Amino acid sequence: AQSVAQPEDQVNVAEGNPLTVKCTYSVSGNPYLFWYVQYPNRGLQFLLKYITGDNLVKGSYGFEAEFNKSQTSFHLKKPSALVSDSALYFCAVRDMNSPLLTGTASKLTFGTGTRLQVTL
Amino acid sequence: DGGITQSPKYLFRKEGQNVTLSCEQNLNHDAMYWYRQDPGQGLRLIYYSQIVNDFQKGDIAEGYSVSREKKESFPLTVTSAQKNPTAFYLCASSRADRTDTQYFGPGTRLTVL
Repeated sequence: AQSVAQPEDQVNVAEGNPLTVKCTYSVSGNPYLFWYVQYPNRGLQFLLKYITGDNLVKGSYGFEAEFNKSQTSFHLKKPSALVSDSALYFCAVRDMNSPLLTGTASKLTFGTGTRLQVTL
Repeated sequence: DGGITQSPKYLFRKEGQNVTLSCEQNLNHDAMYWYRQDPGQGLRLIYYSQIVNDFQKGDIAEGYSVSREKKESFPLTVTSAQKNPTAFYLCASSRADRTDTQYFGPGTRLTVL
């Protein structure tokens, strides 16, 4: 079974400071990892993903994430936070080696989300 | 949200009524998904489909039904059998590829009166 943990319900950061939103995962094989952002009453927007290769993945809006296999983590980071970054952030995982769902659709498992609050 | 539309944005239902949520995509994606979002619980998979006229139950399919008559469309019906239907419903689509990203629609907020 695959699972994702986001240990912090909320992260508070001052504008201009670096931010980190934590994510750890559990899979039996190798992971595909994703970060999404959700603004109030909106759908999820894709930020970035790790499939293979460089452990540091760069994504949209200046966000990046670092894949750490030994710590089974995929923390989201940004060097300088903006007030407009305030939103709900979700980490998701798919086991590369898990059996596919019927046909070729495959299942993403989401964390419970971390609310990022950036203040002036 | 581009490429995936959901309607209506807000929906109110009386107890005992069935309601249908619309999801349309113009991304030419084979796979489509329905998720339910409740506060503090993340997203849970209701149904998914990877080809026309085929769909499969996800983790919480009880009280829901779907159809996939066209590649572009994947409507979700919330039936009266769903005990606690008040939630935010999200539709997503992707290519039929394990590495591919799921893209989400803007969501429908369903409230039972």
